[in-house]
Amino acid sequence: AQSVTQPDIHITVSEGASLELRCNYSYGATPYLFWYVQSPGQGLQLLLKYFSGDTLVQGIKGFEAEFKRSQSSFNLRKPSVHWSDAAEYFCAVGVPTSGTYKYIFGTGTRLKVLA
Amino acid sequence: ETGVTQTPRHLVMGMTNKKSLKCEQHLGHNAMYWYKQSAKKPLELMFVYSLEERVENNSVPSRFSPECPNSSHLFLHLHTLQPEDSALYLCASSQVWGQETQYFGPGTRLLVL
Repeated sequence: AQSVTQPDIHITVSEGASLELRCNYSYGATPYLFWYVQSPGQGLQLLLKYFSGDTLVQGIKGFEAEFKRSQSSFNLRKPSVHWSDAAEYFCAVGVPTSGTYKYIFGTGTRLKVLA
Repeated sequence: ETGVTQTPRHLVMGMTNKKSLKCEQHLGHNAMYWYKQSAKKPLELMFVYSLEERVENNSVPSRFSPECPNSSHLFLHLHTLQPEDSALYLCASSQVWGQETQYFGPGTRLLVL
């Protein structure tokens, strides 16, 4: 069965430090890949997405993600974290399933930023 | 106008009440979705509508009843809910049903007493 794993439930970094959030998926082919961010009390906002082509994807707010087929990973990175980046981050994959199309979300990683 | 709006933002209801959640998208999209977000669990897709026709119903209890009167509006009618139904209910839309990017509303925080 398809699945998405975000192994880190919580991550704490200092403001200005670099950040990497991990995402691994289980699927036989290359799915569509997404990262969303959710601020408290808000819905999900798309940060970036990968459909095909260049495996390093640039997103909004200075985020980027790299698709590594050999590792079935799509890790999110930011070189210098800002206090406003504190939020919950969700990795998602889109896979065709039995004639339909399905999104599968990870359980999220909550980011805390220290001043 | 914000892309996807949801009302109300917060709702408290008893188990015998009937209420409705409303979602409206201003993006000209043809597909709309209802998700349930519970603490410590992945988002659960509940329903998908494409061109106002329900195309997916992921084993959701009948106490949740969706309605899509047109491509811009989506409702979730609630009746005789259980406390475990308390969650954040998110609406999303996409240009077409399938692999297109989904745009989410802010959600309705539901508490069932």
